[in-house]
Amino acid sequence: QVQLVQSGAEVKKPGASVKVSCKASGNTFTGFYMHWVRQAPGQGLEWMGWINPNSGGTNYAQNFQGRVTMTRDTSISTAYMELSRLKSDDTAFYYCARGSTVARVPFDPWGQGTLVTVSS
Amino acid sequence: SYVLTQPPSVSAAPGQTARITCGGNNIGSKSVHWYQQKPGQAPAVVVYDDSDRPSGIPARFSGSNSGNTATLTISRVEAGDEADYYCQVWDSSGDHPWVFGGGTKLAVL
Repeated sequence: QVQLVQSGAEVKKPGASVKVSCKASGNTFTGFYMHWVRQAPGQGLEWMGWINPNSGGTNYAQNFQGRVTMTRDTSISTAYMELSRLKSDDTAFYYCARGSTVARVPFDPWGQGTLVTVSS
Repeated sequence: SYVLTQPPSVSAAPGQTARITCGGNNIGSKSVHWYQQKPGQAPAVVVYDDSDRPSGIPARFSGSNSGNTATLTISRVEAGDEADYYCQVWDSSGDHPWVFGGGTKLAVL
């Protein structure tokens, strides 16, 4: 059973950057895509993008292009999501989730989420 | 970009049936996934590819998809089903290929 374990909560000032990690257990890290989804407090889910852990290729949602960078370290089965030029409305839970680029494959499993608070 | 519309809230008494809809233009031609999110937890898939259930999800959860509406049906509702539910599709035409509905809060009366 694959599990995704994310890094702990972060507090950042406006204009700073944050880097969230997502470590996958098991030996299937390069067999799936890793997606990142965020959820502002009390709000819905917003897809941010994916990384192909095998190739390092990425696809970012237009809303985040220019501010988000997704990377991976296959030696430790860990994916990273870095968001720069933080604003107060970037305050949210950030989730990683294993998935695909195939429509029929859902996001499963999800990490436990990382709360990023942006405040001066 | 593609838009998925869900009712903000749905309620059902224990033992009754709850139906949560997800509307989208010709959504019947797409593959719909449903996620359950309980307070303080990450989302988890309960139905995928319109009507399939992951292992461990009870048969009380079922899905259908036709025309402009997909539906998640929860039969014999239990108190533990109270949660937010989100639908999701993949849309190749937009800049947000993975799209979520706004979510529906299921209240168990």
